[in-house]
Amino acid sequence: SQQGEEDPQALSIQEGENATMNCSYKTSINNLQWYRQNSGRGLVHLILIRSNEREKHSGRLRVTLDTSKKSSSLLITASRAADTASYFCATDSGAGSYQLTFGKGTKLSVIP
Amino acid sequence: DAGVTQSPTHLIKTRGQQVTLRCSPKSGHDTVSWYQQALGQGPQFIFQYYEEEERQRGNFPDRFSGHQFPNYSSELNVNALLLGDSALYLCASSLGGPRAGAFFGQGTRLTVV
Repeated sequence: SQQGEEDPQALSIQEGENATMNCSYKTSINNLQWYRQNSGRGLVHLILIRSNEREKHSGRLRVTLDTSKKSSSLLITASRAADTASYFCATDSGAGSYQLTFGKGTKLSVIP
Repeated sequence: DAGVTQSPTHLIKTRGQQVTLRCSPKSGHDTVSWYQQALGQGPQFIFQYYEEEERQRGNFPDRFSGHQFPNYSSELNVNALLLGDSALYLCASSLGGPRAGAFFGQGTRLTVV
């Protein structure tokens, strides 16, 4: 079953603009991770934020986590055409679970 | 470092047949997880192998089985293929579990006709 739900399902922006994607989840988590997928191929791990963290940065990526609202957001600043991909949030619920539970993803298109 | 490698890249099978997909984890990783990704959906967890045993299983029927070898490589077997099994099958490797993130292979695109 899907744990997370990304919003929006699709996003189209101009190169240089910022892109924001949101993720909501249902159960408590140990950490939340964001992945990128190009053209239906393998997923690339972007960033991980632990349940006791509120914000994390990595290069042009900024992730926030609000455990009270069970939501997270991924901000990509100064977008590039190469950022065109699908983005997924995945939750690690801990508590003896070893799986990652993914949302349905946001399809980002960056127009040159 | 070759990362996670999966074979084959593409596969076409007939309904009712059996298929075996293969995965070599990233060097140093001991845990392999398999995911099924239908078109337009997020990956769904099938199962995870650690120390040559299935450690956790998702909501998939017994037609889906797997194996992990002493060198940590893994196979996913699907019996009695259904049209609905058509999907991208992803292998992810990690060290001990997904706590620090997982490395994914490029996937095997399975088409059942």
